[in-house]
Amino acid sequence: DQQVKQNSPSLSVQEGRISILNCDYTNSMFDYFLWYKKYPAEGPTFLISISSIKDKNEDGRFTVFLNKSAKHLSLHIVPSQPGDSAVYFCAASHNQGGKLIFGQGTELSVKP
Amino acid sequence: GAGVSQSPSNKVTEKGKDVELRCDPISGHTALYWYRQRLGQGLEFLIYFQGNSAPDKSGLPSDRFSAERTGESVSTLTIQRTQQEDSAVYLCASSLGLTGQGRHEQYFGPGTRLTVT
Repeated sequence: DQQVKQNSPSLSVQEGRISILNCDYTNSMFDYFLWYKKYPAEGPTFLISISSIKDKNEDGRFTVFLNKSAKHLSLHIVPSQPGDSAVYFCAASHNQGGKLIFGQGTELSVKP
Repeated sequence: GAGVSQSPSNKVTEKGKDVELRCDPISGHTALYWYRQRLGQGLEFLIYFQGNSAPDKSGLPSDRFSAERTGESVSTLTIQRTQQEDSAVYLCASSLGLTGQGRHEQYFGPGTRLTVT
């Protein structure tokens, strides 16, 4: 029972263009969502988060959008840079717990 | 400041042996979490500690797995009688408070790569 899904295992984007990474969830009790970036042989690095009371949160080149009715969130990276090439994980939690439920990850490749 | 540290970075062990993995959280972080990542998969929750509350052990896959935390500092994850399916990267994270209660993001260590032969 996969409660958080990232249906695209990989994404390739040209440098300077927009990268859009998608994530779907099934549990309506989730109310806090996070995106992490992971390089090989390193732990995940926190990127950006969004609470369910918002539909958008922006931090520099990164914007996360939340559509609660569709149980869908997306991460936009504009403009994409080669250093953004990594695996991106979305994660979710609900207000009575501490654990994060992770998606399977999307490997982003930004080509010069 | 110092981030989350884990040791060892790599561990190779024979099937049936016990292993102990260590995590040093960020100073001042009251919550500490353990996850594992099998090859090509997402992170899987194992256990978390928050202050003096009873730990949430709901993610531990079997009674061969156990974890302890000393106060609000170091934690050890112990796997007894290791099996080949235990091979994974074990990741530790910490947060200022519990993620679900205060919207606290979790900060991860570099992980311990465990290989059971």
